[in-house]
Amino acid sequence: DQQVKQNSPSLSVQEGRISILNCDYTNSMFDYFLWYKKYPAEGPTFLISISSIKDKNEDGRFTVFLNKSAKHLSLHIVPSQPGDSAVYFCAASDRSGGSNYKLTFGKGTLLTVNP
Amino acid sequence: EADIYQTPRYLVIGTGKKITLECSQTMGHDKMYWYQQDPGMELHLIHYSYGVNSTEKGDLSSESTVSRIRTEHFPLTLESARPSHTSQYLCASSEGLDLFSYNEQFFGPGTRLTVL
Repeated sequence: DQQVKQNSPSLSVQEGRISILNCDYTNSMFDYFLWYKKYPAEGPTFLISISSIKDKNEDGRFTVFLNKSAKHLSLHIVPSQPGDSAVYFCAASDRSGGSNYKLTFGKGTLLTVNP
Repeated sequence: EADIYQTPRYLVIGTGKKITLECSQTMGHDKMYWYQQDPGMELHLIHYSYGVNSTEKGDLSSESTVSRIRTEHFPLTLESARPSHTSQYLCASSEGLDLFSYNEQFFGPGTRLTVL
């Protein structure tokens, strides 16, 4: 039973446009969400995170939006650059009971930014 | 910049061999993790450690074992490799200041294991 779902395996956008990557979750106990970026043959790199007490977090070109009622979050990249081409993983954590160590990952979305 | 290292990066080995995948971090992090990932799939936690002499199994059952004798070192061992163990293995670490805060996990580059 997949608790974190990234339903789009791939996304292609033009350089300079907005990239929107989506993530849905089913576990209402999740209270912290993260986005990781992964290039081929490398480990995931942390991008941005958001706590469930917020609905938006921004860091430069990257903004994460959280809609708790819909159990949905999205990552916006504006403007998109060819170097952003990578696999993006959504991850979630349930910090209740001190189990903050555990991250549950989605399957990832391959973003391709075309020059 | 995260300082977490994994060796080897690639390993092709025959069935029945014993292998150890190395993971080291120089950040002094208490918590360390091993994930397994197949292409196009999510990362699955197979082992974690809260600190020296602490190891626990993760969500995905794995025939591998781990040890944590030193803070910076978290090796993973397969006593007898099988083709079903073919996968990418990712090591990660985080600070873990207290149980109710959250610190992002820093990942190593991974080891791609192929068992023939």
